[in-house]
Amino acid sequence: GENVEQHPSTLSVQEGDSAVIKCTYSDSASNYFPWYKQELGKRPQLIIDIRSNVGEKKDQRIAVTLNKTAKHFSLHITETQPEDSAVYFCAAPNRHGQNFVFGPGTRLSVLP
Amino acid sequence: DSGVTQTPKHLITATGQRVTLRCSPRSGDLSVYWYQQSLDQGLQFLIQYYNGEERAKGNILERFSAQQFPDLHSELNLSSLELGDSALYFCASSVGTSGPDTQYFGPGTRLTVL
Repeated sequence: GENVEQHPSTLSVQEGDSAVIKCTYSDSASNYFPWYKQELGKRPQLIIDIRSNVGEKKDQRIAVTLNKTAKHFSLHITETQPEDSAVYFCAAPNRHGQNFVFGPGTRLSVLP
Repeated sequence: DSGVTQTPKHLITATGQRVTLRCSPRSGDLSVYWYQQSLDQGLQFLIQYYNGEERAKGNILERFSAQQFPDLHSELNLSSLELGDSALYFCASSVGTSGPDTQYFGPGTRLTVL
């Protein structure tokens, strides 16, 4: 947590291709990492999360991987669809472990 | 629907004025968080309350204040408003007993300062 970097800031893919968004964090004690999807003008919605006792978690077309050694975690979306177009935010706990620091966001565009 | 409610949905006011934004958390959640999101920007954490008490403070201006009431709803007060305060203000809630846990966001209040 505390400092969360997210790349890329924008990502365009063709429908059906995969998309990968990566986040890095600075606090090695961080243990919970959620991903949020925000459509234009709407609330951020939790799409998947991972705790530090596992390295990967999948939910249909969405997966998250965690590398604690390197302090990074990634969101993978397969078989992308136009409705996946949105801004995606990662988050990691701050150094006090009470709330989150959010990454700056990635604007994903899925082109038909 | 996350179960978190916010009112009003939209608010238009003038510079120098004061407004109050209201949030009701999900049933059973004790923690409430406030975030500011300016146009095309990320989520800036403002403040967190847990069971009526302030737990953490982020980049909250002195002109802004918040509180959480015994029924756990929360209010964010913004005073001496400036043009730059125009933004989406989100409230989120979580169980909040210990450590970081999943936050569920409300629909937001869009504030426009003219």
